[in-house]
Amino acid sequence: QSVLTQPPSVSAAPGQKVTISCSGSSSNIGNNFVSWYQQLPGTAPQLLIYDNNKRPSGIPDRFSGSRSGTSATLGITGLQTGDEAEYYCGTWDSSLSAHVFGTGTKVTVL
Amino acid sequence: QVQLQESGPGLVKPSQTLSLTCTVSGGSISSGGYYWSWIRQHPGKGLEWIGYIDYSGITYNKPSLKSRVTMAVDTSKNQFSLKLSSVTAADTAVYYCARQIVVVPGAMVNRFDPWGQGTLVTVSS
Repeated sequence: QSVLTQPPSVSAAPGQKVTISCSGSSSNIGNNFVSWYQQLPGTAPQLLIYDNNKRPSGIPDRFSGSRSGTSATLGITGLQTGDEAEYYCGTWDSSLSAHVFGTGTKVTVL
Repeated sequence: QVQLQESGPGLVKPSQTLSLTCTVSGGSISSGGYYWSWIRQHPGKGLEWIGYIDYSGITYNKPSLKSRVTMAVDTSKNQFSLKLSSVTAADTAVYYCARQIVVVPGAMVNRFDPWGQGTLVTVSS
């Protein structure tokens, strides 16, 4: 049971935009930076966004992140078939004294 | 470019100890600014952080797993390892090693990059 809640799935047509929410609390998202990870089928997760809204080098600007209060959001614009993957949010939880990850959201390109 | 690779038995019997090694290439494990972490993913489920070790051997483990987890680092081989004792079927998972970026020593920031490819460990008799 994760302390970070994400919608199980989102979908959209190629070229469209999707947003994925990550809901937490003051002990995690509310007071700690949020990261997002993309896990393509059969592969390891890859860092997509860190410090709420920063992109590592090589990550296209179609991916964006934001945080407001105890929630965070990942946005993907110009959706491509290669974006079909599971997406996880992650942050530090000060009460649990552990890194925690969201429940995961599967993105489907229609 | 730093790469990580997990290795170890894919099958462990219940009550025994799971042992995995992560080999780091393309960079030195002794370079500052990083913690070296273990993360697992139960089949079809989400991600669970297990803990980390730094190059000097200082560890920090998830409290709920702490009593069963031992980590070690071998800087001469550029490797770090995980031992999880008294395993049960609930420990069946894909185990990943990952580099955790440290911005301020002691400050926990969720920033894991890169990850190893992962190794499936099944606990079964």
